[in-house]
Amino acid sequence: DAMVIQNPRYQVTQFGKPVTLSCSQTLNHNVMYWYQQKSSQAPKLLFHYYDKDFNNEADTPDNFQSRRPNTSFCFLDIRSPGLGDAAMYLCATSRRTSGRFNEQFFGPGTRLTVL
Amino acid sequence: KQEVTQIPAALSVPEGENLVLNCSFTDSAIYNLQWFRQDPGKGLTSLLLIQSSQREQTSGRLNASLDKSSGRSTLYIAASQPGDSATYLCAVPTGANNLFFGTGTRLTVIP
Repeated sequence: DAMVIQNPRYQVTQFGKPVTLSCSQTLNHNVMYWYQQKSSQAPKLLFHYYDKDFNNEADTPDNFQSRRPNTSFCFLDIRSPGLGDAAMYLCATSRRTSGRFNEQFFGPGTRLTVL
Repeated sequence: KQEVTQIPAALSVPEGENLVLNCSFTDSAIYNLQWFRQDPGKGLTSLLLIQSSQREQTSGRLNASLDKSSGRSTLYIAASQPGDSATYLCAVPTGANNLFFGTGTRLTVIP
């Protein structure tokens, strides 16, 4: 089945220790997104890739970076995690056609704990 | 700036009841609206996508409506089951690719 996969499902890191979250997709979608969702809040977009073009949201902290080495994979790097970065990180994909926004498909998320 | 509101924030119903979840948005210049389900500690599952040209979309016991002019969408769940217990989120696109989410309605269906 075509899907969005996130690894690991649970990640524990120490304050200030870099961490990388992984997302892969078998949908062959050209857009991949990273969202942050804190407890009892709505998901908030951090950035997205349209093919190889990186699009950062204006209020995304510099501490968050992303890489997309190929169509299937996208990584979220948190350079120096703080306690406030503990959250669920959601990866999503969509197929953008003719400038139009199409349905987004989400992975199961990675729950990040910062000690 | 788009604002998306979902009322009520939480809802408890006995099993078998039909129910309606509400979503309102301030900027009606949207070209679709998406409803999601989120189980505790899990990712989002897409339920329905309504294009701006549509007024309704159905999937099984779910029916979503969209009224762009009034900035409202509803999600109707027929014959609710305990397995329907989850948080339901609506989302509208802003700009080219950003999804703007409501804060959700937490539904509990009591057996």
